[in-house]
Amino acid sequence: GAVVSQHPSRVICKSGTSVKIECRSLDFQATTMFWYRQFPKKSLMLMATSNEGSKATYEQGVEKDKFLINHASLTLSTLTVTSAHPEDSSFYICSVPTGFTDTQYFGPGTRLTVL
Amino acid sequence: GENVEQHPSTLSVQEGDSAVIKCTYSDSASNYFPWYKQELGKGPQLIIDIRSNVGEKKDQRIAVTLNKTAKHFSLHITETQPEDSAVYFCAAGDSGAGSYQLTFGKGTKLSVIP
Repeated sequence: GAVVSQHPSRVICKSGTSVKIECRSLDFQATTMFWYRQFPKKSLMLMATSNEGSKATYEQGVEKDKFLINHASLTLSTLTVTSAHPEDSSFYICSVPTGFTDTQYFGPGTRLTVL
Repeated sequence: GENVEQHPSTLSVQEGDSAVIKCTYSDSASNYFPWYKQELGKGPQLIIDIRSNVGEKKDQRIAVTLNKTAKHFSLHITETQPEDSAVYFCAAGDSGAGSYQLTFGKGTKLSVIP
């Protein structure tokens, strides 16, 4: 299956700062990547679909100006949490669907803590 | 949209026993059903998946069954081991829609007692 990495694995920041999370597909070129958010002991909530060469598609209720997504290349998507606040603290995970087979492979996740 | 229900939310079994997790889905167009295992602090790991043209699939100690008529699918783990302890998520998707999106169940925390 596809190998997906995320960086950083964990980040602690002060309220009001912006944080960038990278998702890389190491062995598969992905025109689409997904970004999920997961609260403790909860399921995965799809935030947005990252599209290479075009704007991201956001799920209902997700602020696109708050969570900026850039799909810079076929192997890299970034999620920037702008003006982060404590309620943005969460586990953020990206996934890569492997095209024709539609199987999704997840990254290891990024733990964001906003103080 | 699709809705996936997963039961039970927690499951404890003795080492060596079998574990069964069940999911139901609402959208008859869904045709792809993966199962993921998530260990604490890590991303979900795909363990097995099944498509709607197949009723059962097995991979060593893990098997998945699908009943399209009843819109439910189940994960079976035999001869459980302590390292099987994790949270398991089922999901459903419609590959024909071209969006590759999945709808996830709420997860089952499996504890295997040595």
